[in-house]
Amino acid sequence: AQSVTQPDIHITVSEGASLELRCNYSYGATPYLFWYVQSPGQGLQLLLKYFSGDTLVQGIKGFEAEFKRSQSSFNLRKPSVHWSDAAEYFCAVGVREYGNKLVFGAGTILRVKS
Amino acid sequence: NAGVTQTPKFRVLKTGQSMTLLCAQDMNHEYMYWYRQDPGMGLRLIHYSVGEGTTAKGEVPDGYNVSRLKKQNFLLGLESAAPSQTSVYFCASSSPSNTEAFFGQGTRLTVV
Repeated sequence: AQSVTQPDIHITVSEGASLELRCNYSYGATPYLFWYVQSPGQGLQLLLKYFSGDTLVQGIKGFEAEFKRSQSSFNLRKPSVHWSDAAEYFCAVGVREYGNKLVFGAGTILRVKS
Repeated sequence: NAGVTQTPKFRVLKTGQSMTLLCAQDMNHEYMYWYRQDPGMGLRLIHYSVGEGTTAKGEVPDGYNVSRLKKQNFLLGLESAAPSQTSVYFCASSSPSNTEAFFGQGTRLTVV
């Protein structure tokens, strides 16, 4: 069965520091991969997605992610974190079968300290 | 440019009461989904639909029913609410060409 693991429940970084959020997936075929961000009390906003091609994908708000097939990973990175990046981040794999469902990880809560 | 709209945004129910959550999308998407979000568990799929008049069970369907009478609307019903159904519910839609989903703002439901 498909699954997504986000090993870090909480991460705290200082403003201006670099960020890496980890995501590992389990899926039998070539995956579609996504990162979503959720600010408190809000819906989910798509940060970036990987369907095929270049394994380093750029997203909104200065985020990027790298797909590594050999490690079944899709880690999210940002070189310099801003206080407004504090939110919960979800990694998801798209199951390309009947209904094209998304399977989500449990999420990582990012705290930014000034 | 509404995208996916959920109503209501907040609701408090007593145990045993029923209610319906409404999801409407204006992107002409074929696929629609209902997820629930609980702390530490991410989003879990309740039910989904691949087109008007069709529905299918997701990962956690028990205690919920759905209907897709019109392409743009997807209703989630709770016939007899239980405290375990206290959660934040998200509706989403997508097209068959890819799995990118667009989400509504969520409905926070509390069952007391």
